[in-house]
Amino acid sequence: DTGVSQDPRHKITKRGQNVTFRCDPISEHNRLYWYRQTLGQGPEFLTYFQNEAQLEKSRLLSDRFSAERPKGSFSTLEIQRTEQGDSAMYLCASSLAGGGRETQYFGPGTRLLVL
Amino acid sequence: AQSVTQLGSHVSVSEGALVLLRCNYSSSVPPYLFWYVQYPNQGLQLLLKYTSAATLVKGINGFEAEFKKSETSFHLTKPSAHMSDAAEYFCAVSDGNGKLIFGQGTTLQVKP
Repeated sequence: DTGVSQDPRHKITKRGQNVTFRCDPISEHNRLYWYRQTLGQGPEFLTYFQNEAQLEKSRLLSDRFSAERPKGSFSTLEIQRTEQGDSAMYLCASSLAGGGRETQYFGPGTRLLVL
Repeated sequence: AQSVTQLGSHVSVSEGALVLLRCNYSSSVPPYLFWYVQYPNQGLQLLLKYTSAATLVKGINGFEAEFKKSETSFHLTKPSAHMSDAAEYFCAVSDGNGKLIFGQGTTLQVKP
């Protein structure tokens, strides 16, 4: 068990550019979550997958955001035409589905700064 | 709908003193509740969780929390603070499908 990994750890980009983040979950976990955390706030849910199916998306996830989990393993989160308001820590978590009582294991996050 | 309120964005205690971090929840279904800790520039680590078994839940690093349905609370305590406990603490409730709804967080400062 190598834990949840995220790449890159830090990303600086200019407004209007596209960025893509990758998350590798714990290998046997069938659920994968994306959260966004801004400074001084708790994480906010963005979307989650069970295997390769995207089951829920938050209203926070505008049409500039897209997430995939093509083979039910790693996931990517893409932000198109970045805005300064997208600056945040993007956290990935994984778990085994368990009716809501399951533990989510978090990665170290990707910190995005949009200039 | 589920929600969480953490009372006190900053808590400061002396090393060796009692730690008490407050969390109140709102849930339309029997709640599953979690406490996570976040150290600077790191992800979140689970401290403990309540999943409708014992109301007093023991976690890692000497932390525990008590589920009180009548008060809709799930406060986190530790009898004696250590310098290494300084971090951000988040209370969260599950929506029943696995999505977590987090509180705003409480920064714990431990003074020598």
